[in-house]
Amino acid sequence: GESVGLHLPTLSVQEGDNSIINCAYSNSASDYFIWYKQESGKGPQFIIDIRSNMDKRQGQRVTVLLNKTVKHLSLQIAATQPGDSAVYFCAEGLRIKAAGNKLTFGGGTRVLVKP
Amino acid sequence: SQTIHQWPATLVQPVGSPLSLECTVEGTSNPNLYWYRQAAGRGLQLLFYSVGIGQISSEVPQNLSASRPQDRQFILSSKKLLLSDSGFYLCAWSPYRWLRDSGNTIYFGEGSWLTVV
Repeated sequence: GESVGLHLPTLSVQEGDNSIINCAYSNSASDYFIWYKQESGKGPQFIIDIRSNMDKRQGQRVTVLLNKTVKHLSLQIAATQPGDSAVYFCAEGLRIKAAGNKLTFGGGTRVLVKP
Repeated sequence: SQTIHQWPATLVQPVGSPLSLECTVEGTSNPNLYWYRQAAGRGLQLLFYSVGIGQISSEVPQNLSASRPQDRQFILSSKKLLLSDSGFYLCAWSPYRWLRDSGNTIYFGEGSWLTVV
């Protein structure tokens, strides 16, 4: 089946610096993309999403960029804080019917914020 | 606002015993419901999804089954657990309607840790 970012790399970031987490997706038909943050022992928490008809979307301290030409997604976190330490997952969504959808997740990126 | 509840949070079961994980969603009607599994240090694997009562789609062949007896209730079951069933199980929901701006974001519960011994 389709796959999204099968690796689980680790990104070490100095507190206060900006973080960039990258993700490659493989299904060019995907309708939308989501970034999740997962802290140890907890369920994934929604951060931000973007539709396939957009190339950039901003939230509070976060920005998601979508490059459909190379099937690449990135999450930028401004002024990284210790509370940002977690595993970040990208996911691609495919509309399967009018009321349904499916997400395919990548393996995640671990972000470690150094004080 | 919508909330999702999942229980039990932690479960230790012997091989061959049955399993029942329950999930309920509040504050919304006719949600899409999902069960995901996450092995230690790995990504999330979709096990089942449901777009309505009694409508279950299975994504991977396995030792588990799912049921949706009520609109906002989703149950993950097994008749006989295997060691390989150990993992972190996540229930999730998404709105019924495809939203113009945000597609159909999926929201997760806090998860259930299952250890099969």
